[in-house]
Formats: sequence, structure tokens, C-alpha cells
Amino acid sequence: DAEITQSPRHKITETGRQVTLACHQTWNHNNMFWYRQDLGHGLRLIHYSYGVQDTNKGEVSDGYSVSRSNTEDLPLTLESAASSQTSVYFCASSDPRGPGQGYNEQFFGPGTRLTVL
Amino acid sequence: GNSVTQMEGPVTLSEEAFLTINCTYTATGYPSLFWYVQYPGEGLQLLLKATKADDKGSNKGFEATYRKETTSFHLEKGSVQVSDSAVYFCALRDGAGNMLTFGGGTRLMVKP
Repeated sequence: DAEITQSPRHKITETGRQVTLACHQTWNHNNMFWYRQDLGHGLRLIHYSYGVQDTNKGEVSDGYSVSRSNTEDLPLTLESAASSQTSVYFCASSDPRGPGQGYNEQFFGPGTRLTVL
Repeated sequence: GNSVTQMEGPVTLSEEAFLTINCTYTATGYPSLFWYVQYPGEGLQLLLKATKADDKGSNKGFEATYRKETTSFHLEKGSVQVSDSAVYFCALRDGAGNMLTFGGGTRLMVKP
């Protein structure tokens, strides 16, 4: 079955270190997204990609970067981790094709809990 | 810009009680509306959706009707179960794009 996976599931790091969170999907979806989930804020979009070599900034992109070298993967990098980036991170993917634009659905990974000390 | 507002939780109910979680939105276009559910320790799953005014989305006993006149998409269930305990997110997708805008989430706790 197709799926979307994230690794690691839990990560503890120190302020100033570079951290990369992996996201891998086997749906063959063109669209991929990174969100962070914080209490009281719901999910906020960090970066997104509509295809290979395409990346775009979301609502809270400062301090984060992504790259899309193939369809399956969208790694999220924290260039210099800060305590404010302690959060749960979710990756999602979707397919813009289908019976209609209104029907494409975002499929979410299980999340990565990141703690920055 | 787009925004979604949903009632703050937690909402605590007894089993078989009626559930309503309010959701209102602001959007510039004609959005599609979604409810996602997040069970403990898991990612979000799509619960139901509606793409145009007066559409009713339904799944697993949950329902929500797209009300354009009140810009609302309230989630309802007639009889909740303990297994419905989760966090529920209302979201919209602008008609022109692929991104979702989420509300803050509402935690539902159902007691036996």
C-alpha cells in the first residue's frame, strides 16, 4: 500500500545544530507540504513543493529550508536549530489530478516530535 | 487572507451524547472545506469534506454542512463513542490553490 513516512519520529538536539527531518511518500504525488503543530496554533505551513525542483515558502518559513530532487522525498532542514522550533512536524502530500480540483486530499505522515534544548 | 476559527476545547462528553464543534471561516474565493481528525500519536486523517455551498459531508456518523451565508462548517455527530476521542481540525482550501489553512483544533474527550 502507498504511504507517507517520516523519520526520525523523535529527535532531541541542541541549539545551533543543523537538523534534517525526512519525509518519503510512495503515492507518486506531485504536491508535498511541511507543517508544524503547536498548541493553540493548529497546523501552520512551513514550505511546500508542487514538483521536482519546485519549492515555496509558507507562513512560517524563517529558519527552515527544503529541497525537492525527486518526487518521493521532501527533506526539511533547520539550518541552526532554535528553542522556538521545538514542535511536532508533519509532512503531507496530495495529487492535484483527479475528478476535480475540489477533491484532492492531503495525506499526512505520522509526525516527528523535535525538541531543541 | 484566509482564516479558520473553531471552538476551543477541550470538549468533554459522555458516551452517546450529541456533539457539535463550531467552525467558521474567512476566505476571499469559494473554498473547499474539510474536517480532519487526529488520534493520539498519529497524523491527521481526512474525516469529511464539502466543496460548494449547501453540500453536506459525512463519514463515520459525523456530518457537516457548508453554509456560505454564515461562512460556517460545523461538525456534528448524534451519538459519540469513546473511540471518537481525538483532536478535530477544520480546514479550508482556497479554490485556486492546493494549500490548506487550518483552525486551531478542538480536543474531544468522550467518557464511558
